[in-house]
Amino acid sequence: EPEVTQTPSHQVTQMGQEVILRCVPISNHLYFYWYRQILGQKVEFLVSFYNNEISEKSEIFDDQFSVERPDGSNFTLKIRSTKLEDSAMYFCASRWAPNTEAFFGQGTRLTVV
Amino acid sequence: AQTVTQSQPEMSVQEAETVTLSCTYDTSENNYYLFWYKQPPSRQMILVIRQEAYKQQNATENRFSVNFQKAAKSFSLKISDSQLGDTAMYFCAFIPNTNAGKSTFGDGTTLTVKP
Repeated sequence: EPEVTQTPSHQVTQMGQEVILRCVPISNHLYFYWYRQILGQKVEFLVSFYNNEISEKSEIFDDQFSVERPDGSNFTLKIRSTKLEDSAMYFCASRWAPNTEAFFGQGTRLTVV
Repeated sequence: AQTVTQSQPEMSVQEAETVTLSCTYDTSENNYYLFWYKQPPSRQMILVIRQEAYKQQNATENRFSVNFQKAAKSFSLKISDSQLGDTAMYFCAFIPNTNAGKSTFGDGTTLTVKP
């Protein structure tokens, strides 16, 4: 069964460092998303991406964040200068069309120290 | 903007019993989709069941079924014959049928199945 793959599963980084979270969506999907879940809290939308551009972004997705689909298969989330409060589980999701469910990756646990 | 409310932070049920998790939502959209996701301790997000708003028939998936009341904007999840492996956090989610199609999640309900 096709699945969304995220790497790494866990990343520890020092405050102020740049980090790139990687995702390989399901191959024929067209819509891509990043979500964040701080420990013990709800899943929050960060950004949606379609047709090689951002469709929508939340207030959380400020200038420190960027997304890219560099090679037609990977979908990355970059945090330029990490802060302690960026520590969270980051989920990538993809879907084929607006009227289908989103498939989530297993998540990347980011710990900023 | 859409909101999703899960009013039960924690629930527990005896193994083999039935439990219902509640979810209400608010939207001005007419065409949308509703989902229940399960998040076990591994924190992976697993789709449990989906419901299209234009369908009147309630969705079922084996032991999982929903009670979808569109007018009341209610979307509850019933788990029958609960199993220990059902212990997890359950999230209700709303997705409008738009190109952006971002998911809005509720706060989650922690379900514990007791032996």
